[in-house]
Amino acid sequence: NAGVTQTPKFQVLKTGQSMTLQCAQDMNHNSMYWYRQDPGMGLRLIYYSASEGTTDKGEVPNGYNVSRLNKREFSLRLESAAPSQTSVYFCASSGSQGLTEAFFGQGTRLTVV
Amino acid sequence: KNQVEQSPQSLIILEGKNCTLQCNYTVSPFSNLRWYKQDTGRGPVSLTIMTFSENTKSNGRYTATLDADTKQSSLHITASQLSDSASYICVVSPLTGGGNKLTFGTGTQLKVEL
Repeated sequence: NAGVTQTPKFQVLKTGQSMTLQCAQDMNHNSMYWYRQDPGMGLRLIYYSASEGTTDKGEVPNGYNVSRLNKREFSLRLESAAPSQTSVYFCASSGSQGLTEAFFGQGTRLTVV
Repeated sequence: KNQVEQSPQSLIILEGKNCTLQCNYTVSPFSNLRWYKQDTGRGPVSLTIMTFSENTKSNGRYTATLDADTKQSSLHITASQLSDSASYICVVSPLTGGGNKLTFGTGTQLKVEL
């Protein structure tokens, strides 16, 4: 079972470059999320999508954009990367009814130099 | 601001020993509390989910307890194994809002040694 798949796993960018992180889930989940994880801090929500066609800002959305391409795919775009965006990025998905578990991808380690 | 604080920050134990990790939270009103295990270089994986009305939940050698009155939870690991070496993250969900309202602790880094 694939679960939540993220690509790429590692990426190095120069300041000002752009890139898109891809995420796909095969569990037919309505909700999808993008988090960042920094040393000494808990995971912080960047953007989320409660259902296909909807997206909303989370705690730390500045410098990012997202696209919910279809029910399976949720991408995160950095238009002009900054060193402060060096982090590990996780995509997650969950059902939307009742007490549902969130499933996470393996993460993307991004370094902006 | 709603917070989740975990202790200790890191812990080293010998294989076969038991250990207990702590989580204190201020999220209120509160819906459920989750414990996740995160191996190095991997995404978090759910261990337990407890609603505010549950006191304990087990998953194999992992047992989570919850005291909603004192806003404390613990994760007890029995007969530790080398594969238990990981970060353990406490996550709290408020009563209002969905999966986008989860508050994550910073985790306890556990190392199990021979």
